[in-house]
Amino acid sequence: AQSVAQPEDQVNVAEGNPLTVKCTYSVSGNPYLFWYVQYPNRGLQFLLKYITGDNLVKGSYGFEAEFNKSQTSFHLKKPSALVSDSALYFCAVRYGGAAGNKLTFGGGTRVLVKP
Amino acid sequence: GAVVSQHPSRVICKSGTSVKIECRSLDFQATTMFWYRQFPKQSLMLMATSNEGSKATYEQGVEKDKFLINHASLTLSTLTVTSAHPEDSSFYICSATGGVGGNQPQHFGDGTRLSIL
Repeated sequence: AQSVAQPEDQVNVAEGNPLTVKCTYSVSGNPYLFWYVQYPNRGLQFLLKYITGDNLVKGSYGFEAEFNKSQTSFHLKKPSALVSDSALYFCAVRYGGAAGNKLTFGGGTRVLVKP
Repeated sequence: GAVVSQHPSRVICKSGTSVKIECRSLDFQATTMFWYRQFPKQSLMLMATSNEGSKATYEQGVEKDKFLINHASLTLSTLTVTSAHPEDSSFYICSATGGVGGNQPQHFGDGTRLSIL
């Protein structure tokens, strides 16, 4: 069975400092991994995905994520955080067989960037 | 691109009322749409998956007679909460994907906050 873990409920970082949001996964077969961000009272916005290829994936708003197969991790990173990056971040893994497209989400990590 | 519009954004109604929520893909054809429920400070819980022209597939524990889903076209899916009660109050979010297979991201609407009095 597939699962996603985000071990930190909240991450606090000062503006301008590097931001890392952790994610580990468990899925049979090759994982399709996604990161989404949610602002208050809004839906989720797609940031980036890993399907295959380079382990370092670049996405929207300066975010990137590194796929590490041996550690089954897909941590989200940003070199220099902005106050506007404060939001709720979700890691997700795809499941559903060859034609499936369901996502299992992690519990979410709230990021607070302080000026 | 890949915009999903969800309407209404907020609903407040009396217990026993049925509420319809619309999810539209504005600039792509959505072969599959998903409906989620999110409780405060929690993750998204998948309720059902709908494919255009076919019956929705509900996740375990979700009452299909309570949460009616219709995916009548490639750009519109609706969720109707029938005879809503206070425990149905939640944030409902739809998403849509235009491709087959798992490498296409889901694109999300802005959600509907449903409050049943």
